Amino acid sequence: EAQVTQNPRYLITVTGKKLTVTCSQNMNHEYMSWYRQDPGLGLRQIYYSMNVEVTDKGDVPEGYKVSRKEKRNFPLILESPSPNQTSLYFCASSLSGVRGAGETQYFGPGTRLLVL
Amino acid sequence: RKEVEQDPGPFNVPEGATVAFNCTYSNSASQSFFWYRQDCRKEPKLLMSVYSSGNEDGRFTAQLNRASQYISLLIRDSKLSDSATYLCVVASSSGSARQLTFGSGTQLTVLP
Repeated sequence: EAQVTQNPRYLITVTGKKLTVTCSQNMNHEYMSWYRQDPGLGLRQIYYSMNVEVTDKGDVPEGYKVSRKEKRNFPLILESPSPNQTSLYFCASSLSGVRGAGETQYFGPGTRLLVL
Repeated sequence: RKEVEQDPGPFNVPEGATVAFNCTYSNSASQSFFWYRQDCRKEPKLLMSVYSSGNEDGRFTAQLNRASQYISLLIRDSKLSDSATYLCVVASSSGSARQLTFGSGTQLTVLP
């Protein structure tokens, strides 16, 4: 089954404790991205990647890191989480790296993060 | 001003009603436009792309007005299962950057 998976789905952590949210897709997609969703603000793009080893900042990259060492995986790293990073996070992928933002995005199920 | 603006609603309509949502965008260089649907606590899913000539998919009609920089979604004969949040999405490119900008969503509840 074609899908985007994220782990963990739910996470409660404390300020400053490094964490990684994994994202994996099995559709051989080139474009992958991370979003956070907050009430009243909608989805905001954190980082995106047009292909392996190619990443770029989205609208709200501060406090986050990403890497794209393999085509299928795009982990989101919070080196020192803070309470303002409490949010619902979505990973997404689409087929083309160049036209990635202009194509259908396939979203993972979301990760609910609470930073105390 | 937000790059993509939507009326947050909520829109509460009876079954069978016709309902329309509008969305405005500020970047005149925007290239692709979409409507996504998001059910409560779930991931967004593509409802339909929006083409310049307008397009229809069953009970759903999407239109794009580039001159006025807005897109619309019309739902006819609404069903209970149409209850969801509808997200307006705009894709743009600037140099090598490829970004999607989401509206905050319009909440629709279809009542029996």
